[in-house]
Amino acid sequence: EVVLTQSPGTLSLSPGERATLSCRASQYVSSNYLAWYQQKPGQTPRLLIYGASSRATGIPDRFRGSGSETDFTLTISRLEPEDFAVYYCHQYGTFGPGTKVDIK
Amino acid sequence: QLVESGGGLAQPGGSLRLSCAASGFTFSSYAMGWVRQAPGKGLEWVAATSGSADDTYYADSVKGRFTMSRDSPKSTLFLEMNSLRAEDTAVYYCAKFTTYDILTEVDQWGQGTLVTVSS
Repeated sequence: EVVLTQSPGTLSLSPGERATLSCRASQYVSSNYLAWYQQKPGQTPRLLIYGASSRATGIPDRFRGSGSETDFTLTISRLEPEDFAVYYCHQYGTFGPGTKVDIK
Repeated sequence: QLVESGGGLAQPGGSLRLSCAASGFTFSSYAMGWVRQAPGKGLEWVAATSGSADDTYYADSVKGRFTMSRDSPKSTLFLEMNSLRAEDTAVYYCAKFTTYDILTEVDQWGQGTLVTVSS
């Protein structure tokens, strides 16, 4: 089974800054099936990115997914106040441990 | 819309049955599953089933103890949980995939039902 590792565990940034989140797989992962989710406290997860780089419906273009094989990245170009949350990468049957983006 | 029910308090070794009532989409056309989240922890897949129920996934941590099933005419997903352990304590979310295939991603979540395993 694939193990997903996310780094960093916590990212402390200010609004307007760029966030770069990493997701590394223990073995090859098809880009077709790599997704990213956002979860805010007390809320259910929200699909941001699917197929490694396609934005889900209604997701603003400041969110960008990239990568292939074992290394994937979620980039938030300019953090808005509502972007401070936990982000999970996901591939069949497994989630990464999450990266918390909090306010510096 | 996905609405879970059936959570609550169970003793170690006990059983619970979760239900997820789906509406607003053709239930049999989509893969469905259960994801859990222990208090203050991350997301963990529990089980998933394809639209036709011919492809199923169970996490190693629940294999042999949990059984998922779907009733397409009633648009309902079930999770039968037996031999419950303290580490099964979590909010259990019902999840709908974007296609019939469990390899894809989840685009809809229920609000979750809390399962607490304690004596």
